[in-house]
Amino acid sequence: EAQVTQNPRYLITVTGKKLTVTCSQNMNHEYMSWYRQDPGLGLRQIYYSMNVEVTDKGDVPEGYKVSRKEKRNFPLILESPSPNQTSLYFCASSFSSRTGGGLIFGSGTQLSVL
Amino acid sequence: GESVGLHLPTLSVQEGDNSIINCAYSNSASDYFIWYKQESGKGPQFIIDIRSNMDKRQGQRVTVLLNKTVKHLSLQIAATQPGDSAVYFCAETGGGADGLTFGKGTHLIIQP
Repeated sequence: EAQVTQNPRYLITVTGKKLTVTCSQNMNHEYMSWYRQDPGLGLRQIYYSMNVEVTDKGDVPEGYKVSRKEKRNFPLILESPSPNQTSLYFCASSFSSRTGGGLIFGSGTQLSVL
Repeated sequence: GESVGLHLPTLSVQEGDNSIINCAYSNSASDYFIWYKQESGKGPQFIIDIRSNMDKRQGQRVTVLLNKTVKHLSLQIAATQPGDSAVYFCAETGGGADGLTFGKGTHLIIQP
């Protein structure tokens, strides 16, 4: 089944403890992206990747890192999480950011930073 | 900065009626628009898209209308069903941007 898989689904952590949220897609998509969703603010892009070894900042990149060593994986890294990073995170992928079909989203990761 | 937004945060309709969800965008260079549906506890799901060289596109029970003159996008859902209850997002891209800009979403509530 074609899908975007994120793990974990739920995560509770403490301030400053490094964490990684994994994202994997099995559709050979070139474009991958991370979003955070907060009440009243909608979906905001954190980082995106147009292809392997190519990553760029989105609208809210501060406090996050990403890597794209392989086409299928796009992990989101929080080196020193803070409470304002408590949010619902979505990974998404598509063949291209602009040539059609829209993004395929993962099921989300609910992160709480205490 | 430029943004994509929705006119109403909540829309309540009777089951069986048609629903119209609106979206305004400000980037005149946008050339590709998408509607997503997000059900509770799930990620957004692609519904329908439209390019700027079109003004209307139809899918199954859904129609997207694009008015580039006033930078307005709408999603029409025919014969609304309980399963249509969700938050609907519009998104746009274009003008050299490499990602989608999302609106804040409209929560569609279906009254029995």
